[in-house]
Amino acid sequence: DQQVKQNSPSLSVQEGRISILNCDYTNSMFDYFLWYKKYPAEGPTFLISISSIKDKNEDGRFTVFLNKSAKHLSLHIVPSQPGDSAVYFCAASEEGSDSWGKLQFGAGTQVVVTP
Amino acid sequence: EAGVAQSPRYKIIEKRQSVAFWCNPISGHATLYWYQQILGQGPKLLIQFQNNGVVDDSQLPKDRFSAERLKGVDSTLKIQPAKLEDSAVYLCASSFNGNSYEQYFGPGTRLTVT
Repeated sequence: DQQVKQNSPSLSVQEGRISILNCDYTNSMFDYFLWYKKYPAEGPTFLISISSIKDKNEDGRFTVFLNKSAKHLSLHIVPSQPGDSAVYFCAASEEGSDSWGKLQFGAGTQVVVTP
Repeated sequence: EAGVAQSPRYKIIEKRQSVAFWCNPISGHATLYWYQQILGQGPKLLIQFQNNGVVDDSQLPKDRFSAERLKGVDSTLKIQPAKLEDSAVYLCASSFNGNSYEQYFGPGTRLTVT
């Protein structure tokens, strides 16, 4: 049962423009969300996160938006740079001590930034 | 700070053979995770350790997979016997403690079962 879904397997964007990656989830108990970035032959690296008590979190060129009522989050990258070309994974975790650290990942979106 | 180390990086075996993967987490990280990432999918948690105790192994196929974390540091994941559908990248991750959402991943071991 896929509780975290990234419905766009790939995204191509021109350098300098905005990249918008989307993620939907079905489990209303999820209360913390993360984005990871993965280059080929490397493990995923943490990019940015957001708690369910917020609707926006910003870190430099990266902003994550959370819409709890729609069970939807998005990652905005502005401006996009060639080094942003990677696979981006959305991940979510449930509240509660039994669920600490247990992340459920989406299938990922391959971003290609073209010159 | 050294990252999470994994070996080997690549492994090719025939079905029904056995294989073992090794992971050394970031120093001081109490929590260690093993994930399986099948091509085209996101990582799926197999097992979570807190120090040398198992926190969650509900998604570990225990008839063929086993994992241990002796002395609460290094960990090994074993598959015996391997099946074709075990072909995947096996990722090890660690976090400072079980209360931290942010996990640090190793480069993974790409397993091909023929």
